[in-house]
Amino acid sequence: GAGVSQSPSNKVTEKGKDVELRCDPISGHTALYWYRQSLGQGLEFLIYFQGNSAPDKSGLPSDRFSAERTGGSVSTLTIQRTQQEDSAVYLCASSLEGRPPLHFGNGTRLTVT
Amino acid sequence: EDKVVQSPLSLVVHEGDTVTLNCSYEVTNFRSLLWYKQEKKAPTFLFMLTSSGIEKKSGRLSSILDKKELFSILNITATQTGDSAVYLCAVVRSGNTGKLIFGQGTTLQVKP
Repeated sequence: GAGVSQSPSNKVTEKGKDVELRCDPISGHTALYWYRQSLGQGLEFLIYFQGNSAPDKSGLPSDRFSAERTGGSVSTLTIQRTQQEDSAVYLCASSLEGRPPLHFGNGTRLTVT
Repeated sequence: EDKVVQSPLSLVVHEGDTVTLNCSYEVTNFRSLLWYKQEKKAPTFLFMLTSSGIEKKSGRLSSILDKKELFSILNITATQTGDSAVYLCAVVRSGNTGKLIFGQGTTLQVKP
């Protein structure tokens, strides 16, 4: 596609529910990244996939967070048993061969009530 | 601990003014510094700087990196209302290109 596509654009969920956020990277980009942007904060790194290498999960804040990337393309970020502090904009990005610059999607705004 | 600090945090100017946004960093194994513009949604890439003292320019925007003093500036001349956005600075470390370290951003408002 022309750019990084994320869905849904907005998600409201009740505390304790699981959510799945989807990211479709730019065609041909081998690297995919998830970041989180909380209100008034900078972007916080979550996880990074590059080709067939093991993902860098060092930014995931707890074991309630997980992500997978199927077929080297689409990625899903899953948050289990959501908490109010998970409310944020979740941004996905991709890059060519793991080199900057990263190209970001429009994000998914998650609100946990 | 690695950190990236932007200043000012917010800025209000009038159309036609020139602004300078600052980004200082303390990171191990610095590789490059990136500037992004974020309006409503996706941050859009502006510049990537790797070498000291070489200005990058795109229209009214320009940026330069000082690796000795560990900072970068982003200049916008003849500002327009469309320049209103959050400007983000991020640093890439060698061997860890996936994990950009972002500053907290500068919110620029350009009034007509």
